[in-house]
Amino acid sequence: AQKVTQAQTEISVVEKEDVTLDCVYETRDTTYYLFWYKQPPSGELVFLIRRNSFDEQNEISGRYSWNFQKSTSSFNFTITASQVVDSAVYFCALSENLEYGNKLVFGAGTILRVKS
Amino acid sequence: NAGVMQNPRHLVRRRGQEARLRCSPMKGHSHVYWYRQLPEEGLKFMVYLQKENIIDESGMPKERFSAEFPKEGPSILRIQQVVRGDSAAYFCASSRDSGAHFRLFGPGTRLTVL
Repeated sequence: AQKVTQAQTEISVVEKEDVTLDCVYETRDTTYYLFWYKQPPSGELVFLIRRNSFDEQNEISGRYSWNFQKSTSSFNFTITASQVVDSAVYFCALSENLEYGNKLVFGAGTILRVKS
Repeated sequence: NAGVMQNPRHLVRRRGQEARLRCSPMKGHSHVYWYRQLPEEGLKFMVYLQKENIIDESGMPKERFSAEFPKEGPSILRIQQVVRGDSAAYFCASSRDSGAHFRLFGPGTRLTVL
């Protein structure tokens, strides 16, 4: 069965600090996809990234970076030089593949509070 | 091109009433997924529908919940005889084909049961 664990319930940082959000997953499949979403206080769900299981290359997008480690089943998310606008709940999710009808399995989320 | 639309955005019901949540997929999309987010939890899959068909309802509670996606019009998630535990945010996502629904979710409907 698939499972996503975000052990950090809540993290507080001061603006400009770097912060890493942890995500550990379980799956029996060799083909799977990992995702990160942001849910700001307004409540909508914003897609941030998708990564497939065959691509372990780390990715950087502006202040965001993702570290995918298959050996430890982790897909961690780092925000560099955090800003108040980064305050949100962040969800990691897993899908065994993107074929017919496959749903996303979400972690419980990490609340990030960035203080000025 | 409008994204996935959900209405109402907020819905208040008293215990025992019915709640009807609507999801209009993006234009050209014929696949809809519903997820529920209970307070302080992540989203959990409920049901996957194509036009006029329920494909996977493995996440739907056995009683009081139903979903449809008619040939014309939005997808409807219906909750009969609501209870306080149904209070949650309900999100839908759509896709053109079977796989890629992950990218765009609707804004959600926040249901409060008094």
